[in-house]
Amino acid sequence: GQNIDQPTEMTATEGAIVQINCTYQTSGFNGLFWYQQHAGEAPTFLSYNVLDGLEEKGRFSSFLSRSKGYSYLLLKELQMKDSASYLCAVRGNQAGTALIFGKGTTLSVSS
Amino acid sequence: DTEVTQTPKHLVMGMTNKKSLKCEQHMGHRAMYWYKQKAKKPPELMFVYSYEKLSINESVPSRFSPECPNSSLLNLHLHALQPEDSALYLCASSLQAGGSEQYFGPGTRLTVT
Repeated sequence: GQNIDQPTEMTATEGAIVQINCTYQTSGFNGLFWYQQHAGEAPTFLSYNVLDGLEEKGRFSSFLSRSKGYSYLLLKELQMKDSASYLCAVRGNQAGTALIFGKGTTLSVSS
Repeated sequence: DTEVTQTPKHLVMGMTNKKSLKCEQHMGHRAMYWYKQKAKKPPELMFVYSYEKLSINESVPSRFSPECPNSSLLNLHLHALQPEDSALYLCASSLQAGGSEQYFGPGTRLTVT
């Protein structure tokens, strides 16, 4: 079966660092994506990992361990505008292009 | 141009109406997708088109009918919908099947009365 788990909600304060974890069990693996989605808006792409290790992109970093079926998104120097839902998504097989989304983590950043 | 556009932004329709949602991209992407998203839920894949051919249909009811007239356009024809079909309908595209990144449009907020 296909299963992607991430925490439902997280809170943090401005300037802090937060790590959002994602574990997955899918039939095949061909990449893991992180998307940010503000309420009422479309998801926007944050990062993509297909090999083990850390990908850094400004204040955002994403890590992947394929052997553990585990990824995290690290957000540094948090800003109020980072309050959003963060979606972990896995592309489960090579032939298809479908993304399987986790339920999303709602992050609330306070001052 | 790294944009996926969708029209209309909002749509209210009765259960007997026929309407269409439209999606357009000019990035030369050859894979296009329809997702349905209910409030506080992740997007759920409905259809995938690859090189203008339907490659994935996730057991979507026939009252939803996709169409890909050319490589830049994707339509979703709606007929005899139910109130539970009310949702945000998102279109996305990627360079091709197996492309690393999907770009999402802003979505159409559909309400079925």
